[in-house]
Amino acid sequence: AQSVTQLGSHVSVSEGALVLLRCNYSSSVPPYLFWYVQYPNQGLQLLLKYTTGATLVKGINGFEAEFKKSETSFHLTKPSAHMSDAAEYFCAVSDGQGGKLIFGQGTELSVKP
Amino acid sequence: DSGVTQTPKHLITATGQRVTLRCSPRSGDLSVYWYQQSLDQGLQFLIQYYNGEERAKGNILERFSAQQFPDLHSELNLSSLELGDSALYFCASSPDSYIQYFGAGTRLSVL
Repeated sequence: AQSVTQLGSHVSVSEGALVLLRCNYSSSVPPYLFWYVQYPNQGLQLLLKYTTGATLVKGINGFEAEFKKSETSFHLTKPSAHMSDAAEYFCAVSDGQGGKLIFGQGTELSVKP
Repeated sequence: DSGVTQTPKHLITATGQRVTLRCSPRSGDLSVYWYQQSLDQGLQFLIQYYNGEERAKGNILERFSAQQFPDLHSELNLSSLELGDSALYFCASSPDSYIQYFGAGTRLSVL
C-alpha cells in the first residue's frame, strides 16, 4: 500500500525567503513521486517528478525536490519565494505502473510582501 | 493549458438528480483517470480507463459510473445525487502510464 503525508497544511513565507514544503511517503514498491500545484479555481499542474535516476529533480518555476529513500521523503524547495507562488501544493505517489496517484492532503503556501 | 478538456466547468443541481461530466483527454493519451476533490476527503481516485476498458477502481460509489468511448473521451455519470457529492471532479490523462495531466475540473454543487 502507498500513502503520502504532507507536514503542515499551511505555510507562510516572506517574498524572497526559502520555500520548504515537506512530504513523506510510504510505499511497498519503488515509488514514483510527484509535486503538483493548484492555483485558485484551476486544475492541477505538474511541477516536477521523480521516477528513477538522479535523486535531485528540478521542475518548473524554480522549484526542486530531493528524493531521500532513507528518510522516505520528497520535500519541495525554492530558494526565493515570489508572490506568484501562492497556491496549494500537493505531493503524490504512484507505483509507476499506470496506476492511480495517491495524494497528500495539500499544503497551502502564502507569500507575504 | 494541459490539453485535457473538461465540461462543464460548473454544474448546479438538486438532490436526487443525475448529471454527466465529460472529459476529452490529450491527443493520443489512452488512459483517463477521474478524481474527486472535497474539503473533507481531499483528492481521491475514483476510476481509471485505458483504451475503452476499465483498468482500476478506487473509492467510487455505486451511484457513480463512468465509461470511455472509442474516440477516447470519457464521461462520469453521477446519479441520485446527495449534498455530500458536492465537490470538484478532475479528469486526468496519461501518455505513458506514470505522468498524469489534469483538466481544470468540473465544480459540482448539489443543493
